[in-house]
Amino acid sequence: NAGVTQTPKFRVLKTGQSMTLLCAQDMNHEYMYWYRQDPGMGLRLIHYSVGEGTTAKGEVPDGYNVSRLKKQNFLLGLESAAPSQTSVYFCASSSTSGSSLVEQYFGPGTRLTVT
Amino acid sequence: AQSVTQPDIHITVSEGASLELRCNYSYGATPYLFWYVQSPGQGLQLLLKYFSGDTLVQGIKGFEAEFKRSQSSFNLRKPSVHWSDAAEYFCAVGAAKLIFGAGTRLAVHP
Repeated sequence: NAGVTQTPKFRVLKTGQSMTLLCAQDMNHEYMYWYRQDPGMGLRLIHYSVGEGTTAKGEVPDGYNVSRLKKQNFLLGLESAAPSQTSVYFCASSSTSGSSLVEQYFGPGTRLTVT
Repeated sequence: AQSVTQPDIHITVSEGASLELRCNYSYGATPYLFWYVQSPGQGLQLLLKYFSGDTLVQGIKGFEAEFKRSQSSFNLRKPSVHWSDAAEYFCAVGAAKLIFGAGTRLAVHP
């Protein structure tokens, strides 16, 4: 199993450009998440999904959109990139076992720079 | 408000010394608690988790953590640190959604 994979690993954008980050998981997990990591701030949740076709806002959703058309994929879009979106982006997935939540599994990250 | 506080931004220890990383949380319900480790340029790896039951939990790489409900704490410990433990450590709390602390960066002196 590859676990959680992210594409691309690195990207440089100019202000105003758009792009899509792809996250894929092969663990049949229901839940998927997008975080951003900035120095001294830990990970902050951007958007998440509790199942195919459903998405919800996290802590810092502004400037981002997401889609979950297939259970195994979770896309993060930036319609008009801004320098404040320079960050490392992590995708994660998780599932449940009975009534218990199983831990989140993380991808390797995408380093995005917006100039 | 729900939050996680890791009071120590940086910690330096000598190899072979003991380690304790602090984590305090504020959460309305009984929390699920996690410690993750991140090596430079890598994703996050789960060290250990607490859902219920025994309040002292064992994790990978010789780490353990103790849940203290009265203190709202979930401190991470290791009796003897190895140079390979140098990394950033994150405490997290939550259920379907996690709230992460800002992290503690650990440096290990030989």
